[in-house]
Amino acid sequence: GDSVTQMEGPVTLSEEAFLTINCTYTATGYPSLFWYVQYPGEGLQLLLKATKADDKGSNKGFEATYRKETTSFHLEKGSVQVSDSAVYFCALSDLAMDSSYKLIFGSGTRLLVRP
Amino acid sequence: DAEITQSPRHKITETGRQVTLACHQTWNHNNMFWYRQDLGHGLRLIHYSYGVHDTNKGEVSDGYSVSRSNTEDLPLTLESAASSQTSVYFCASSERPGLEVFEQYFGPGTRLTVT
Repeated sequence: GDSVTQMEGPVTLSEEAFLTINCTYTATGYPSLFWYVQYPGEGLQLLLKATKADDKGSNKGFEATYRKETTSFHLEKGSVQVSDSAVYFCALSDLAMDSSYKLIFGSGTRLLVRP
Repeated sequence: DAEITQSPRHKITETGRQVTLACHQTWNHNNMFWYRQDLGHGLRLIHYSYGVHDTNKGEVSDGYSVSRSNTEDLPLTLESAASSQTSVYFCASSERPGLEVFEQYFGPGTRLTVT
């Protein structure tokens, strides 16, 4: 079945460092891809999304490009801030899977940014 | 502003007791979802509903039930709580999608401890 694999965390960076969180997926159809962020004590919020190959999603300085050839959707940010400390989830939605609109999540990657 | 709320935010119960977690959304969304979040597993889908009187099982539905009597609410019931059901539970909702990508909006979560 469809699945999402994320790099293990935690990822610890100094402020202003470059961030990459890897995400790869397996899907039978043509999924839409998402990054959600969870700040401490809160629910998940959509960070960015991409619906087709070569689309680039971006928000708050974060970017991710839908790479069909490598089945990847890696999250990047050029200069992280302490306020970016959170857990990041990669997810997919594959309408072709069973005509449903469910999200399949990766296991999450915790990011800790030190001042 | 529209929102999605969960109650209680924290709950401690004993093994074997019936527990109901509430979820209420004012987005007027047709789709509602319940997830559990456990370390190393990300979010896993318990049950979901695409409209009033519609309910469907997710990947970890054993021991849980839901009912949808109106658009706004999707309560989650643990029929006989077990220690394995200690987790953080998230409710989410989304619009009924056409061909567009949809976003799920998450509640703040309920931390359930079964002793």
